[in-house]
Amino acid sequence: DAKTTQPTSMDCAEGRAANLPCNHSTISGNEYVYWYRQIHSQGPQYIIHGLKNNETNEMASLIITEDRKSSTLILPHATLRDTAVYYCILNAGGTSYGKLTFGQGTILTVHP
Amino acid sequence: DTAVSQTPKYLVTQMGNDKSIKCEQNLGHDTMYWYKQDSKKFLKIMFSYNNKELIINETVPNRFSPKSPDKAHLNLHINSLELGDSAVYFCASSQAGSNEKLFFGSGTQLSVL
Repeated sequence: DAKTTQPTSMDCAEGRAANLPCNHSTISGNEYVYWYRQIHSQGPQYIIHGLKNNETNEMASLIITEDRKSSTLILPHATLRDTAVYYCILNAGGTSYGKLTFGQGTILTVHP
Repeated sequence: DTAVSQTPKYLVTQMGNDKSIKCEQNLGHDTMYWYKQDSKKFLKIMFSYNNKELIINETVPNRFSPKSPDKAHLNLHINSLELGDSAVYFCASSQAGSNEKLFFGSGTQLSVL
């Protein structure tokens, strides 16, 4: 799977949008972009994924650039409970059988 | 109801001992996993089981032996524990055809003294 690059840490004020970037310039055509997060002392939690179209669900929005070399996870109204490590992961799906390659992620701190 | 539950949450033991961690999922998923998170917080897959069959074994020492009595359970047995086995172990599951959308348990923190 191709590699991703994320900022080590970010801050966000409560109630504001949190925009978390991810670079994946060597992404392959069949690789999806997945986002997970890990709140302290909990297991990772799936957030959203996409291939090339922008995606939105109840948790977040995912914006993927047209050339697919980068993406942004948007938490529209961040709360204190969104403080976590956010992981951007590439995966071709299908025969990967759930083998996700977690990097160091971005530590997002939401402050009052 | 907890979707993926694992026990115990904390496990403190001496080097050389044998221990087990249990995992159960009530989501009706076909695939279950064990992941390990080391002291540097890197998460890595150890095993993947699909319908009770081993699919992935990521060069884990054979002191680690997963056992899946049925689709809802995947237990992890560790023999002759070593200091380097200290980590947080996460169980997870996923639905067939959506194997990258994993549901994780809350983890078992293993400390080997």
